[in-house]
Amino acid sequence: DAKTTQPPSMDCAEGRAANLPCNHSTISGNEYVYWYRQIHSQGPQYIIHGLKNNETNEMASLIITEDRKSSTLILPHATLRDTAVYYCIVRVAGGGGSNYKLTFGKGTLLTVNP
Amino acid sequence: DAGVTQSPTHLIKTRGQQVTLRCSPISGHKSVSWYQQVLGQGPQFIFQYYEKEERGRGNFPDRFSARQFPNYSSELNVNALLLGDSALYLCAGGGTSRYNEQFFGPGTRLTVL
Repeated sequence: DAKTTQPPSMDCAEGRAANLPCNHSTISGNEYVYWYRQIHSQGPQYIIHGLKNNETNEMASLIITEDRKSSTLILPHATLRDTAVYYCIVRVAGGGGSNYKLTFGKGTLLTVNP
Repeated sequence: DAGVTQSPTHLIKTRGQQVTLRCSPISGHKSVSWYQQVLGQGPQFIFQYYEKEERGRGNFPDRFSARQFPNYSSELNVNALLLGDSALYLCAGGGTSRYNEQFFGPGTRLTVL
């Protein structure tokens, strides 16, 4: 799995958009970008994933650059409950039951301030 | 539907003892993975099981073992506990989507004294 680089911490004002960057310059053509987050002392929570097109769901948007070497997770209107560690993970999808391993780095601690 | 469940929530053991942690994935999910998370670090992969077969193992000693049952629930066993085994142990289930999103339980906090 490709290695990712994230800033250790970021701050965001409540109600503003939070933009969390991730660098994955060695990503392969068949690897997807996944984002998870972990609120303090809870299990990680899946947020979104994408291959090369921008993706949006009810939680967030994922913007992947054209060369796929970096991406940005966007929380459009951050709330205090979005304070968490956000992990960017790059890995292949599929595999018929043989590929579920997630390789976590240290992630980005996002602190949403009132 | 109930999410991934883990038991117990907290556990205190002493060095040299053995511990068994349990996990039940979401109904319909056939895979279970185990992760260890020490304070200040991201979760580290220990094991993956799919359809009751081991499909992956992380860089952990043989003191760590696991199994998956016919109902897809799983147990993680750790023998000869060391102080360094103190961590949050996370279980994740998945397998119904080709994108392999993983759904994590709340974890078991193990403290070894």
